[in-house]
Amino acid sequence: EIVMTQSPGTLSLSPGERATLSCRASQSLSRSSLVWYQQKPGQAPRLLIYSVSSRATGIPDRFSGSGSGTEFTLTISRLDPEDFAVYYCQQYGSSPWTFGQGTTVEIK
Amino acid sequence: QVQLHESGPGRMKSSETLSLICAVSGYSISSGYYWGWIRQAPGKGLECIGSMSHSGHTYYSPSLESRVTISLDTSKNQFSLKLTSVTAADTAMYYCARGYGGDSLGTFDIWGQGTMVSVSS
Repeated sequence: EIVMTQSPGTLSLSPGERATLSCRASQSLSRSSLVWYQQKPGQAPRLLIYSVSSRATGIPDRFSGSGSGTEFTLTISRLDPEDFAVYYCQQYGSSPWTFGQGTTVEIK
Repeated sequence: QVQLHESGPGRMKSSETLSLICAVSGYSISSGYYWGWIRQAPGKGLECIGSMSHSGHTYYSPSLESRVTISLDTSKNQFSLKLTSVTAADTAMYYCARGYGGDSLGTFDIWGQGTMVSVSS
């Protein structure tokens, strides 16, 4: 099983700042089999990025994804107040599909 | 606009079989995509349970495969999850979701709001 490790656990930033979230896989991912989700309290996850770097429909261009192999990054160029949430990465290149434990982006 | 809505028993007892339904509106499940289930235990992360394509191809998490069945009811435009022999460890919010196929199989783009299932002994 591929273990996905996200860092940091919590990121404290102010609106307008840049957020950089990391996701590390315990094995190199086949294909571009990584996605990012955003989850707000009491809500379902929302797809942000698929195939490492493709933005999902309706996702603002301040969200971007990058990486390959075992190291992946989600960048939010300028934090909007609505961006404070928990972010999960997930790999689907190898069964079982697995999620990271999440990074909380909180208001500083 | 595609929407998914889960329904289920809420509370159940150990050893029972969990049955959940996901009603889909705004898209015919027989037209394409995968249809899946993901769960989240209280205060925990996310776990993929499995998904099924409109053509019957399935993916199940190896850790749950022996207890899980996902099926599609195209006449009602809904799909279901059955999980046998539940224990307290199966207590979670259960989400249904639409999934991509092909090279992006495993990506879920539209989610329901979730239904909480609590298992007691």
